[in-house]
Amino acid sequence: AQRVTQPEKLLSVFKGAPVELKCNYSYSGSPELFWYVQYSRQRLQLLLRHISRESIKGFTADLNKGETSFHLKKPFAQEEDSAMYYCALRRPPSSNTGKLIFGQGTTLQVKP
Amino acid sequence: EAGVAQSPRYKIIEKRQSVAFWCNPISGHATLYWYQQILGQGPKLLIQFQNNGVVDDSQLPKDRFSAERLKGVDSTLKIQPAKLEDSAVYLCASSSRTENTGELFFGEGSRLTVL
Repeated sequence: AQRVTQPEKLLSVFKGAPVELKCNYSYSGSPELFWYVQYSRQRLQLLLRHISRESIKGFTADLNKGETSFHLKKPFAQEEDSAMYYCALRRPPSSNTGKLIFGQGTTLQVKP
Repeated sequence: EAGVAQSPRYKIIEKRQSVAFWCNPISGHATLYWYQQILGQGPKLLIQFQNNGVVDDSQLPKDRFSAERLKGVDSTLKIQPAKLEDSAVYLCASSSRTENTGELFFGEGSRLTVL
């Protein structure tokens, strides 16, 4: 069964500290992994996808197939990074369904 | 471009009553999703449409939930009769099939409270 696990409900750090939001997944094939973010009073939106290998707002995430993980990292947290972060999995694009399976979410709180 | 529109934003009903939510996706997006998000949990897919056909409704409680997407544009999600455990935010999302990037565009959600 496909599953996404985010072990931390809340991660609290001080401004300028490094951040790592953990995500583990279970899937027998080669999935696509995403990070979505929801800022206060805003819609859920895409932050980054693993196939793009890009850095968005200073965040990066590397897919580790051996450990089945897709942790989100940022070297220096900013107060505006405070939000709810969701890791999500999708079966390969060849599948006729683009549905995303979401983890439970982690609240990131960056203190001044 | 206009985003995904949902209404109503908030709804309070008593158990065993019925409720309907409406969604208008981004223009040109063929794929439409309804997700249920219970407090403290991640969004869970209820149903996915491709144009006006159902692609996946495996997690839709069909004894009480129904959804339709007439003409392949707007969609309505209905709950009848509602139970206490249906209290949640109902998120509508759409995506472009031609781009197939995996990016879903979400609406603001409809928050349902069942008393």
